[in-house]
Amino acid sequence: QLQLQESGSGLLKPSQTLSLTCAVSGDSMSRGGYSWTWIRQPPGKGLEWIAYIHHTGTLHYNPSLQSRVTLSIDRSKNQFSLQLSSVTAADTAVYYCARLGNYVDNWGQGTLVTVSS
Amino acid sequence: QSVLTQPPSVSAAPGQKVTISCSGSSSNIGSNFVAWYQQLPGTAPKVLIYDNDKRPSGIPDRFSGSKSGTSATLDITGLQTGDEADYYCGTWDSSLSASWVFGGGTKLTV
Repeated sequence: QLQLQESGSGLLKPSQTLSLTCAVSGDSMSRGGYSWTWIRQPPGKGLEWIAYIHHTGTLHYNPSLQSRVTLSIDRSKNQFSLQLSSVTAADTAVYYCARLGNYVDNWGQGTLVTVSS
Repeated sequence: QSVLTQPPSVSAAPGQKVTISCSGSSSNIGSNFVAWYQQLPGTAPKVLIYDNDKRPSGIPDRFSGSKSGTSATLDITGLQTGDEADYYCGTWDSSLSASWVFGGGTKLTV
């Protein structure tokens, strides 16, 4: 059974860089047909897609966040990572990692990242 | 403001039926498959419907989806109190700023 688990910094100050890692178990990230993605949800608000990385390494970013986002994959550890630079209070959210095919079929439990001075 | 438009809230009594709409455009719903997600309080979203009208294994047939043109609909019949949740539609947007998009979410009260 596929499982995804987020980990990383939970409290940041404005202008710092958010760093999160998603550990994938129960499936190989190198298996074809899927991408690996990050989605966030500000408190009390809806879902916002951030970016995905295809199993081939192809990257695709939300245009509104592209200038601040870096996505990477570590196949040896079966995990992928998100970096978001120059954070502000508007980046406070629960961040989910997930598997993406034609739709998001598996989600991590999410991790809350708070940006506050 | 979300690319896909959903009503903020809907409500119905237990046992009744409710319909949640999701309106988009030719670059998203009009040309791509739609998925629906259920988010129970304090939990991650879970897929209910994919490819417009297909249910993953384990999802009751009380949940059904459809698509027509640039709109999609989620129907829930035989409402239960456990169905109280937020519901989101999602799809790929093939416009110049291609991205995965979600509706703003609909809060279902039973």
